[in-house]
Amino acid sequence: QVQLQQSGPGLVKPSQTLSLTCAISGDSVSSNSAGWNWIRQSPSRGLEWLGRTYYSSKWYNDYAESVKSRITINPDTSKNQFSLQLNSVTPEDTAVYYCARGWLQTGFAYWGQGTLVTVSS
Amino acid sequence: QSALTQPPSASGSPGQSVTISCTGTSSDVGDYNSVSWYQQHPGKAPKLMIYEVSKRPSGVPDRFSGSKSGNTASLTVSGLQAEDEADYYCSSYAGNIHLSFGTGTRVTVL
Repeated sequence: QVQLQQSGPGLVKPSQTLSLTCAISGDSVSSNSAGWNWIRQSPSRGLEWLGRTYYSSKWYNDYAESVKSRITINPDTSKNQFSLQLNSVTPEDTAVYYCARGWLQTGFAYWGQGTLVTVSS
Repeated sequence: QSALTQPPSASGSPGQSVTISCTGTSSDVGDYNSVSWYQQHPGKAPKLMIYEVSKRPSGVPDRFSGSKSGNTASLTVSGLQAEDEADYYCSSYAGNIHLSFGTGTRVTVL
């Protein structure tokens, strides 16, 4: 059974970097059959897919246009986890952030528990 | 990312059926058989209920079914039960690494 466990701070100051980690059990971040995604949810923006990393002979990353200039998602094979970094945050980035396993075309079957990140000074 | 349109609310009595619509465009719902549906209880992560328009992941009751016609996808919950009371969201692949989510529908079991 795949389980995803998120960690990271719940409060980030404006203009700083939001950093979250998603630890994987029951699967491998290097699996050829899994995409590892970050999705956020806020009352103003609803559910929003942010990006993904996946391995298929080499590592790939894809990001949503809305955050492309500010986001980095990295796999960490030594710890079997992946991370999210979102730079230059503003209060608009306040949301519950989820990591999830799956593909854009076939949905996300496994989710982390969610982390409420508030951007405030 | 343009959001897919869902009705804000839907309701039904226990044992009845409720159908939720998810309206997109010819660039997303109408162009791809890549519609998913999620159930979300308060304070919990979304749960995948339907993928690829009408397929159910293992463990999802067959009371949940999905369909699509043109630019509109639908989720039907038959034999409503108290635990089905939740928010439901659709999503659709829209090509070019682009995913749209629906606006969400709150289902109330009367």
